[in-house]
Amino acid sequence: QKEVEQDPGPLSVPEGAIVSLNCTYSNSAFQYFMWYRQYSRKGPELLMYTYSSGNKEDGRFTAQVDKSSKYISLFIRDSQPSDSATYLCAMSVNNAGNMLTFGGGTRLMVKP
Amino acid sequence: DSGVTQTPKHLITATGQRVTLRCSPRSGDLSVYWYQQSLDQGLQFLIHYYNGEERAKGNILERFSAQQFPDLHSELNLSSLELGDSALYFCASSVAGAQETQYFGPGTRLLVL
Repeated sequence: QKEVEQDPGPLSVPEGAIVSLNCTYSNSAFQYFMWYRQYSRKGPELLMYTYSSGNKEDGRFTAQVDKSSKYISLFIRDSQPSDSATYLCAMSVNNAGNMLTFGGGTRLMVKP
Repeated sequence: DSGVTQTPKHLITATGQRVTLRCSPRSGDLSVYWYQQSLDQGLQFLIHYYNGEERAKGNILERFSAQQFPDLHSELNLSSLELGDSALYFCASSVAGAQETQYFGPGTRLLVL
């Protein structure tokens, strides 16, 4: 079993929908949680960065971390066709040389 | 554009060969990380260098090695290549080596035939 699990999708939604992306993890030492967006044939791009539990909002994006359940989420409001990409969750502990452990990624398609 | 550059963009080679992938970090960044992305394993951490010194190792094969030079660019050397080494190799950089943002380059796509 992988340390970080993520539904691979694809997830197909109509434009304007609210999208919910999730990851579960098994390592309780993870303290830092990130969401990256990766367009086809491009490098991952950081979307959200949170430390420990709680919520963080940035524009149309909201990240939630529930450490007690070992579960993190990314919500995208008013989804746009330009949001179509693969979304990767990533995590790290606080003293592991900043090594990131990634989920497998969820492919999102937003249809106009 | 993240500011991280990687060369070459594509590389096709044969089994048993050796290749070198190059990465230039963002201006001012001291840390360089290498990741491998394959369809079956996803994105996996290989190795981290900070200001020329190795900081952390992930599941990097013994056939693979890396170094960071005084000008802070980094090279990832892959030798005795196997079909299963075909993947996207990403370099990322960050300012230091603690819990801050890693900026990813565009990647090198390696195909081993």
